[in-house]
Amino acid sequence: QLVLTQSPSASASLGASVKLTCTLSSGHSTYAIAWHQQQPGKGPRCLMKVTSDGSHNKGDGIPDRFSGSSSGAERYLTISSLQSEDEADYFCQTWDTGIVVFGGGTRLTVL
Amino acid sequence: QVQLVQSGAEVKKPGASVKVSCKASGYTFTAYYIHWLRQVPGQGLEWVGCLSPTSDDRGYAPDFQDRVTMTSDLSLSTGYMDLTRLKSDDTAVYYCAILRDGFTIDSWGQGTLVTVAS
Repeated sequence: QLVLTQSPSASASLGASVKLTCTLSSGHSTYAIAWHQQQPGKGPRCLMKVTSDGSHNKGDGIPDRFSGSSSGAERYLTISSLQSEDEADYFCQTWDTGIVVFGGGTRLTVL
Repeated sequence: QVQLVQSGAEVKKPGASVKVSCKASGYTFTAYYIHWLRQVPGQGLEWVGCLSPTSDDRGYAPDFQDRVTMTSDLSLSTGYMDLTRLKSDDTAVYYCAILRDGFTIDSWGQGTLVTVAS
């Protein structure tokens, strides 16, 4: 069964960069995932899809500060020039054997 | 652009049922499954199930199998999720979503808060 693993929390300073990681469980390293952002009190929005070759396809209106990449079973979300509104929960998601699967999410604090 | 607009918040008593709607626009409604997910306050996201608007093919998560029914109305481009025998721990925000590539969610509804309380 596919499992997506994320660190529960991360922090970085205003204006800095941060790289969040989503790890696919063994046997699923070729899967594409999507990164979603959920700001406090709001619903999720899709930031981008990241494939196994590292290409990423961003949603409409997603700033250039957000980018995606891959290495093996890991999928990354990099946010540069951090702004206060980037403080949010970020979770990865994919689909496997008829079920939508989510990572546990990473809560990003902007210091 | 794709829009998924859900019905408003609901308050229900334990044992009751709730029906949440999701009106789609900006794409061909019949092209993609409608997925339903939920988020209990303070927790992560959980997949409830999905429905093909054309074939009536459905898939439900095991935890909801005996209490959920998903339907659609092609004339209204609207999907529905009906959850019965509500319990207090069904209190959550329920979202509809579509996965146009079959793997990744690219569009979400705004969410519907369902509160179950006596």
